[in-house]
Amino acid sequence: AQTVTQSQPEMSVQEAETVTLSCTYDTSENNYYLFWYKQPPSRQMILVIRQEAYKQQNATENRFSVNFQKAAKSFSLKISDSQLGDTAMYFCAFPSYNNNDMRFGAGTRLTVKP
Amino acid sequence: GAVVSQHPSRVICKSGTSVKIECRSLDFQATTMFWYRQFPKQSLMLMATSNEGSKATYEQGVEKDKFLINHASLTLSTLTVTSAHPEDSSFYICSASYPALAGGDTQYFGPGTRLTVL
Repeated sequence: AQTVTQSQPEMSVQEAETVTLSCTYDTSENNYYLFWYKQPPSRQMILVIRQEAYKQQNATENRFSVNFQKAAKSFSLKISDSQLGDTAMYFCAFPSYNNNDMRFGAGTRLTVKP
Repeated sequence: GAVVSQHPSRVICKSGTSVKIECRSLDFQATTMFWYRQFPKQSLMLMATSNEGSKATYEQGVEKDKFLINHASLTLSTLTVTSAHPEDSSFYICSASYPALAGGDTQYFGPGTRLTVL
């Protein structure tokens, strides 16, 4: 079965500081993609970052980076220099093997404090 | 970038009526679109997969006669909630993939539709 687990329901960070959100997953596939999506109060799902499992190099998008540990099936998101606009729900996700729909974790609610 | 729109953004209806939600890919063609449902403070749950020119595939527990899906063209999928009841009140989100833009299974999401059934 393909599952995604986010064990941190809520987190908070001070503005300008760094925070790491955890995600573990389970799949029997060898080649796959992993995603982090952000859902701000507007509820629009926004793609934050994407990692290809066959690439050893961790993906980076400006202040957002991942720590991808394939053997451990771990995919954490690091947000550097946190900004108030980063306040949102963050979902870890990956496409299901046979259908390509996104399978989401339970989400982590991040609050950036001024 | 890839833009997916949904209409309406909010709808309030009386119990027993039907509501249609449209999902459009604005600048790309999508042979497959997905419909998700999200309850307050919860994650997204897949309801069904919408395939252009063929019948939709529904997840276990989702009533296909209640949630009618029509994928009439490569840019439009519609979800109709028939005989809506208060328990159908939820946030409905569609998505589509655009491999030519981002590659590999990346999904782009519509802004969602908040349905309230009185």
